Formats: sequence, C-alpha cells, structure tokens
Amino acid sequence: DIQMTQSPSTLSASLGDRVAITCRASQSIGKKLAWYQQKPGKAPNLLIYKASSLESGVPSRFSGSGSETEFTLTISSLQPEDFATYYCQQYTSGWTFGQGTKVEIK
Amino acid sequence: EVQLSESGGGLVQPGGSLRLSCAASGFTFSTYPMNWVRQAPGKGLEWVSAISDSGGSTYYTDSVKGRFTISRDNSKNTLYLQMNSLRAEDTAVYYCAKHWSNSNPSFDHWGQGTLVTVSS
Repeated sequence: DIQMTQSPSTLSASLGDRVAITCRASQSIGKKLAWYQQKPGKAPNLLIYKASSLESGVPSRFSGSGSETEFTLTISSLQPEDFATYYCQQYTSGWTFGQGTKVEIK
Repeated sequence: EVQLSESGGGLVQPGGSLRLSCAASGFTFSTYPMNWVRQAPGKGLEWVSAISDSGGSTYYTDSVKGRFTISRDNSKNTLYLQMNSLRAEDTAVYYCAKHWSNSNPSFDHWGQGTLVTVSS
C-alpha cells in the first residue's frame, strides 16, 4: 500500500503569509495527486488535481507542484478563509490520504 | 448543480448492521464512479470503498473487506453502503464522493456526510 506523509502537521501563519505544505509518497505516484481543504464540520473541497491543475472556482493563490514522491501545496498570500485543514491524496493505486495539515492563525 | 446527500446514519450496537444511501442529482450519475470516505471524530480522512460507473467493479480498504458492500442503482441515482458486523472503530462521518471523471479519479464533489456511531 502507498503511504502519504504530510508535513508539518500544524502550521501557524499570519494573514498575507506565503505558506507551503509538503506531501511525500512512499513510492512513485507520477502526478496522480490531489489536494483538499476541509473546514470544521464541513465536507472536504477539491483544490488541486494531477498535482498542479487548479480546480474550477479555486482562487489562484493556491498552487500545486511536484511529481513522483514529493509534492507541495502553496498558498501565496494567506486569507482569513484559508485557515483550515489540508489533505493530500494519491490515486495511482487505490486512494490514500495524508494525515492532514492544520493551518492556524499565528 | 451537483448535489450529493447521504442518509441512513445513526447509533448501532457492535455487531449490528446499517445501510447508508447517497442520493445524487445535477449530473449523469450512471457515467461516474463513486466512493465512500469516512472520518472518525477528530481524525483524518480515510477512503473506504469505490464502485465503477456501471457497478461492475468494486474496491474496498482492507479493514472493511468482507463486512461492507458498496452498490448503486443507476435508475434511482443512488449509491449505497451496506455495513455489517460493525465495530467501534467504524464510528465516523461517512461521505459519498464523486470522481472528477473516469480518467481523473480525484473527488470533485462530496456530500455533507452522515454520522455512524457504533456503541453499546
């Protein structure tokens, strides 16, 4: 089974900060990676698919990069509505989520 | 507008059974693979099961194999999850989720979730 490891688990940041979340796969997954945002009590929301493709309606301050085993989600300028938990997901062999990264206010 | 609405959750004793439903609208249900994803209280997301657009292929995470059965009725635009031999560790919010497409199996739409609590 493919394991997904996110870092950090918690990230404290201020409004306007540029933040980056890393996701590592236990084996190569090409670019078959998605990123989701989840707010408390709500369903997850797709942000990025195929490692770097921005889902329709998602603000352009979100971007994804990487391939094979290392991936990054970057938020260029943190907005109030971005404080949430973020998950990566591989879909090359079944589906596996990372453990999540909580972005909180510094 | 794509809408997914889960129902059927509730409190069940260990060893009991429950059937979840997910009613879909706003898209051609019969042409999209579908999934169940769960989230235990305070924990992360865990993929549970997937089914192809026709229903002919099904997939499960190891911890539910032999206990859970995913199915769909394309005439009713509804996805199901039959859960048997439930355990305390199955307690979670269960979400149904739609594939972006057959060639892009990320999950572009999710329901609001239904809570399953396994406890005596």
